[in-house]
Amino acid sequence: DTGVSQDPRHKITKRGQNVTFRCDPISEHNRLYWYRQTLGQGPEFLTYFQNEAQLEKSRLLSDRFSAERPKGSFSTLEIQRTEQGDSAMYLCASSLIWGPDSFSEQYFGPGTRLTVT
Amino acid sequence: KQEVTQIPAALSVPEGENLVLNCSFTDSAIYNLQWFRQDPGKGLTSLLLIQSSQREQTSGRLNASLDKSSGRSTLYIAASQPGDSATYLCAVGDRRELAQKLVFGQGTRLTINP
Repeated sequence: DTGVSQDPRHKITKRGQNVTFRCDPISEHNRLYWYRQTLGQGPEFLTYFQNEAQLEKSRLLSDRFSAERPKGSFSTLEIQRTEQGDSAMYLCASSLIWGPDSFSEQYFGPGTRLTVT
Repeated sequence: KQEVTQIPAALSVPEGENLVLNCSFTDSAIYNLQWFRQDPGKGLTSLLLIQSSQREQTSGRLNASLDKSSGRSTLYIAASQPGDSATYLCAVGDRRELAQKLVFGQGTRLTINP
């Protein structure tokens, strides 16, 4: 299967610890998105990459959050000094944009569920 | 700022009934609208994608319509089954944004009773 994959699928951590999640997009996709979904809500945009460049960050992304996509392939999302409010599902999606006026479907991974105790 | 609303928040119907889920959005400048299914604790499964130039899409027992001018979409589920129980999310791709981020509604939690 060549869909979007995420690792780990579940993470339980204690408040104050650092965590890192990984997303592997569909191989030819140049865009990668991170979303966060809290209980009972729809997903909300966090940030996105065009190849290796991080082009936009939501105000939801505090200074404790950092995302990278070093070679334009996989991406990592790190949360430092986790808080209970960080407990959520973190979803990754990828798409292929081939020009300034092209619009493409986003394909989602299975998500990483984070629980901060 | 684009906002997406889904009504109702929860719906419970007996097996076999046809049903309609509603989605509304505030800005008609969208490039597509997508319906997703989410099972408890799981990720998103894409059900139907409607491009902005289209009026509807069908897949099996599912039919989604799009009326950009009124800012509405509906998801029609025919002959519902207990396996259809899940949360259904609507999302629009905002044409005005370079990021093409998806803006989601809060979802409709659907329960089909045997």
